[in-house]
Amino acid sequence: ETGVTQTPRHLVMGMTNKKSLKCEQHLGHNAMYWYKQSAKKPLELMFVYNFKEQTENNSVPSRFSPECPNSSHLFLHLHTLQPEDSALYLCASSQDSGGGRTKNIQYFGAGTRLSVL
Amino acid sequence: KNEVEQSPQNLTAQEGEFITINCSYSVGISALHWLQQHPGGGIVSLFMLSSGKKKHGRLIATINIQEKHSSLHITASHPRDSAVYICAVRSNGGSNYKLTFGKGTLLTVNP
Repeated sequence: ETGVTQTPRHLVMGMTNKKSLKCEQHLGHNAMYWYKQSAKKPLELMFVYNFKEQTENNSVPSRFSPECPNSSHLFLHLHTLQPEDSALYLCASSQDSGGGRTKNIQYFGAGTRLSVL
Repeated sequence: KNEVEQSPQNLTAQEGEFITINCSYSVGISALHWLQQHPGGGIVSLFMLSSGKKKHGRLIATINIQEKHSSLHITASHPRDSAVYICAVRSNGGSNYKLTFGKGTLLTVNP
């Protein structure tokens, strides 16, 4: 148990659906991250929030829309996805994204396995 | 070419064997992480290194900054060590939080 909880664990959606992924951390951290992990590829950073403000959007298509209502919760809203968006989506948190090495140790959730049909 | 290269990509061992996984990187770094990802998907941080060597139980991580190389060793391997092991680096001069990841090494330890 890493203190970062993601729901749902598995999601199957059609290309016209709208769904949301949820991440919650119980670690008192101020920074939260969304990553995409596709088969045979390294983890790709998608978004970073620090103190509820988005500090990084790594050229992610607009069909992925993040929301961070407070430092403990992070959402990823999905709409009109493509089959190539099927992947494991991982959430992580750290004490502070702008601090030193120790403050940036990231704790990961178990991920949401997304399949787009 | 990925900035972080891991070898081997896949590794199968018998229980009890000594395991070594390698990571080479091409940029100057401020820290290197070793992560473990179990089949369920969750990722656990094993080590963060900036120099020398760290040990935790049966796991040992070493880094050679001059050679831009790190190794993760597992002594007396056990089937529960079966997982993907991921190397990630934080580049010098980049954002404090930004990690560059290797593709991972899939380790299978057979009983």
